[in-house]
Amino acid sequence: ETGVTQSPTHLIKTRGQQVTLRCSSQSGHNTVSWYQQALGQGPQFIFQYYREEENGRGNFPPRFSGLQFPNYSSELNVNALELDDSALYLCASSLFGGGEETQYFGPGTRLLVL
Amino acid sequence: GQQLNQSPQSMFIQEGEDVSMNCTSSSIFNTWLWYKQDPGEGPVLLIALYKAGELTSNGRLTAQFGITRKDSFLNISASIPSDVGIYFCAGRRQGGSEKLVFGKGTKLTVNP
Repeated sequence: ETGVTQSPTHLIKTRGQQVTLRCSSQSGHNTVSWYQQALGQGPQFIFQYYREEENGRGNFPPRFSGLQFPNYSSELNVNALELDDSALYLCASSLFGGGEETQYFGPGTRLLVL
Repeated sequence: GQQLNQSPQSMFIQEGEDVSMNCTSSSIFNTWLWYKQDPGEGPVLLIALYKAGELTSNGRLTAQFGITRKDSFLNISASIPSDVGIYFCAGRRQGGSEKLVFGKGTKLTVNP
């Protein structure tokens, strides 16, 4: 196990609703990255948080937002949910500035938008 | 979004056979990673490569960082049933944030 935890494990929402997903990083890690993995695809980078600020963003609209807390845990918020937002959402923690910065993934939250 | 070119998409092999899969890109990466993902789980890191030309082993797994920095391969020797899963390559570019760019995965099936 990586020590990265995510909650909830599964979630069902309807179009237009809002959702908050949570991630606890591995002990000693200071950076959290979020990825979206559609069925049959590799993970796609959403954004990364370091020192409680966004530190890089992929090609996702502003309705995808996040937070990082002083204990390095993080939230991913998605507003105005669309059917295409149905996916596995993965968070990965790493130690930024530690040299060989390898990302370790949590088990993911599977979101279904109806 | 951008993804690496990973091949093959799927493989069906007999237990005991060796497996090879690779990943290519039109861009240079300074880190290559190989992950395995089981159904309902997040990707688990298998091997990390940080230098061009580097060849690294982890048990029956061997991976290499291509000299051009635009490709990597993963070999699995003497496959066993628990090797079943989806294998992803991921690359990280020089500079910028730490975002990883992933391939679409290679689905491996091992017949006992």
